[in-house]
Amino acid sequence: DTAVSQTPKYLVTQMGNDKSIKCEQNLGHDTMYWYKQDSKKFLKIMFSYNNKELIINETVPNRFSPKSPDKAHLNLHINSLELGDSAVYFCASSLLGSGGRNEQFFGPGTRLTVL
Amino acid sequence: GDSVTQMEGPVTLSEEAFLTINCTYTATGYPSLFWYVQYPGEGLQLLLKATKADDKGSNKGFEATYRKETTSFHLEKGSVQVSDSAVYFCALSSNTGNQFYFGTGTSLTVIP
Repeated sequence: DTAVSQTPKYLVTQMGNDKSIKCEQNLGHDTMYWYKQDSKKFLKIMFSYNNKELIINETVPNRFSPKSPDKAHLNLHINSLELGDSAVYFCASSLLGSGGRNEQFFGPGTRLTVL
Repeated sequence: GDSVTQMEGPVTLSEEAFLTINCTYTATGYPSLFWYVQYPGEGLQLLLKATKADDKGSNKGFEATYRKETTSFHLEKGSVQVSDSAVYFCALSSNTGNQFYFGTGTSLTVIP
């Protein structure tokens, strides 16, 4: 009965590789997000999709490409991985349609290590 | 634009001490306010929330009151436990709900 799930939980890869992280929510929410958390625990919003449409696209390298096949899924593909991409990536979801009073629900995170 | 400012850590307290983590916000309209907690190795979990002025959110002994006059939402707990050691994030959902802002997080360590 996991609400927001991410796979994989850990990802170790070499510089220059391409990798994907998957996220799924079973809460019936209409909006999903990707965040990057650095080693100092600072959270940075990367992308947000509402009903499969991109609504937030912060300044991130275009090596990062989100894809939302449906409202319950938001995947993150990263091309040509760099050392600075090492971080914990969190997926989250919320229900914007309720008037914005509801909180975001977070997945357990994916720890990406680029060697 | 909207933003959240919370006190910097790290904070170290002895068990049973009183905890306050300050959070102030800047927003137009009437945002919703949240406190999230992140235990080591885990994702963020909602701790408590308040959706209008003078609302008090509470959970697990933690409390925070939405103060519009001081634009604050300080987190308090009367007696912390070792199990409260975590990173705490203050957050704001904008009036329209389509923007969500997190503070920088405050690391709390409680020692026996």
